[in-house]
Amino acid sequence: GAGVSQSPSNKVTEKGKDVELRCDPISGHTALYWYRQSLGQGLEFLIYFQGNSAPDKSGLPSDRFSAERTGGSVSTLTIQRTQQEDSAVYLCASVWGGGGTDTQYFGPGTRLTVL
Amino acid sequence: AQSVAQPEDQVNVAEGNPLTVKCTYSVSGNPYLFWYVQYPNRGLQFLLKYITGDNLVKGSYGFEAEFNKSQTSFHLKKPSALVSDSALYFCAVRDINDYKLSFGAGTTVTVRA
Repeated sequence: GAGVSQSPSNKVTEKGKDVELRCDPISGHTALYWYRQSLGQGLEFLIYFQGNSAPDKSGLPSDRFSAERTGGSVSTLTIQRTQQEDSAVYLCASVWGGGGTDTQYFGPGTRLTVL
Repeated sequence: AQSVAQPEDQVNVAEGNPLTVKCTYSVSGNPYLFWYVQYPNRGLQFLLKYITGDNLVKGSYGFEAEFNKSQTSFHLKKPSALVSDSALYFCAVRDINDYKLSFGAGTTVTVRA
């Protein structure tokens, strides 16, 4: 595929359950970002991966959130013990170089609803 | 620190009229500026960016934006709006020394036929 893909597109879960959200970046892109978009809000930075460097986790809102990137490609965002305030659209973006001038290309997002 | 302000939550225009979506920014160094558009239930699509050079940047779908350093603005414009331009628009800024984008809260554009 030519673009960033994310799965699932929609996820409904019960409070307290764990969820995993997947992102497949554009092939060859070295950097990957996760964002959270809450209703009526802008995008909130969560985590950044660049190549083999240690990720920037400074945006993760709590220790219930974690992410990994395997083989420098696919990334999984995991939310443990989900809470209702975790309901949002989770967006992934990949970048070819990761430098300041490079454009982030976004996936379609995963809409998470915590009941 | 870096931030973006989109002062208008909503912009309503008639089809065929000019469209402007406002954006102001704050960075400590030189800015890299971006505009994205989001259609319902879709991810963000890149429209255009300013890195350096000509202050007027042309992008996709007939959109353009003008970088104004003295006013720290990067307003998005389209000379003649289409109903299909109705969407949510985000301005974003990155300091030259940072890799994280800061996004505005978004402006909902509605173009009426």
